[in-house]
Amino acid sequence: GNSVTQMEGPVTLSEEAFLTINCTYTATGYPSLFWYVQYPGEGLQLLLKATKADDKGSNKGFEATYRKETTSFHLEKGSVQVSDSAVYFCALIITSGGSYIPTFGRGTSLIVHP
Amino acid sequence: ETGVTQSPTHLIKTRGQQVTLRCSSQSGHNTVSWYQQALGQGPQFIFQYYREEENGRGNFPPRFSGLQFPNYSSELNVNALELDDSALYLCASSLAAGAPIDETQYFGPGTRLLVL
Repeated sequence: GNSVTQMEGPVTLSEEAFLTINCTYTATGYPSLFWYVQYPGEGLQLLLKATKADDKGSNKGFEATYRKETTSFHLEKGSVQVSDSAVYFCALIITSGGSYIPTFGRGTSLIVHP
Repeated sequence: ETGVTQSPTHLIKTRGQQVTLRCSSQSGHNTVSWYQQALGQGPQFIFQYYREEENGRGNFPPRFSGLQFPNYSSELNVNALELDDSALYLCASSLAAGAPIDETQYFGPGTRLLVL
């Protein structure tokens, strides 16, 4: 079956530090990959996505590159802010025969201190 | 704001009861998916509806059922509630089926269900 594995949290950083949140996946077929963010008290929001190998998704200073050879989609940001504190979810979607199967990771909590 | 709304925001039920949760999709979206998110976990896919028919299902028993209406609003029904059904229930709308396909999902704020 399909699965998404994220690094354990919480990740605790100081403001302006470099961020990496690891995400690896297993999938039957060719998935699209996503990062969603959930701010405290809010619903999930799409952060970025990539639909094929070597694509780079980017938004709000965050980036992730679809690496088919390592089945990874690591999230990075060069300089985090306190407002980036949230839970980040890596996800994949396989569309197969008209059916649509999404799989989410467990989430990684990010805490950024001033 | 994603344009996806859910009701109610909170709900308390007792074991064995039945519950109906509602979702209004983002305008123009033809597909709705439902998820269960336990505390501290990622969303678990329950099922997806496209054109009023189930179009994919996760590992949930038949007591979890759904409906999608012509205006693309939808319902999640859970019968014979169990304590473990306590969770945040999310719906997400998308243009996942049809053309053009965009698998991006837009989530509602969720309904928090507590089963006592």
